[in-house]
Amino acid sequence: QSALTQPASVSGSPGQSITISCTGTRSDVGGSDYVSWYQQHPGKAPQLMIYDVTNRPSGVSNRFSGSKSGNTASLTISGLQAEDEADYYCSSYASSDTLVFGGGTKLTVL
Amino acid sequence: EVQMLESGGGLVQPGGSLRLSCAASGFTFSSYAMSWVRQAPGKGLEWVSGISTSDGSTYYADSVKGRFTISRDNSKNTLYLQMKSLRAEDTAVYYCAKDRRTISSLDYWGQGTLVTVSS
Repeated sequence: QSALTQPASVSGSPGQSITISCTGTRSDVGGSDYVSWYQQHPGKAPQLMIYDVTNRPSGVSNRFSGSKSGNTASLTISGLQAEDEADYYCSSYASSDTLVFGGGTKLTVL
Repeated sequence: EVQMLESGGGLVQPGGSLRLSCAASGFTFSSYAMSWVRQAPGKGLEWVSGISTSDGSTYYADSVKGRFTISRDNSKNTLYLQMKSLRAEDTAVYYCAKDRRTISSLDYWGQGTLVTVSS
């Protein structure tokens, strides 16, 4: 049950686009349709932003999008806004009947 | 409105036990799988355990297998996590979360309850 690999930090200016990667193996990201992304502001509970690789829950801005290629999933945020500054985590169902999270990525809006 | 309210956290000595509860409302609790996720201070998220809705199957991370037990009482709309043989590394905020389907994506989260394991 190794954690998925995410960059520790990314940054971007308002209006720009950024992409956060999430790398796993064939036993999790590569072999699962259940890849999700969560946003967490300091002191708050995580919020689901993307589920099933590409789907957005109701109420989540269409500036957030997800994709997957092989063992790597990606979260793209377009039109970066100050309120997007937060920690982002990916997760995936793993073949061992567990859920595995990435280590988290701190997004800084410059 | 979907809500989850965790309770039962606190300070416990190493080797001790604690039972967390999560009272759910705003959705048909018995129709959804549920999970517990924890976050150690200043660290990332770690999935701890999940429970299905249909047959009550349970799932655990290796780090807690044999020490923690997840259960649910659909008549009380409540999820539980019984924790035994607690270690310092179990210190974390524990969140309960509603699963879209068993071990998939967690679409609603509680605010968490802090468990501190220390002598």
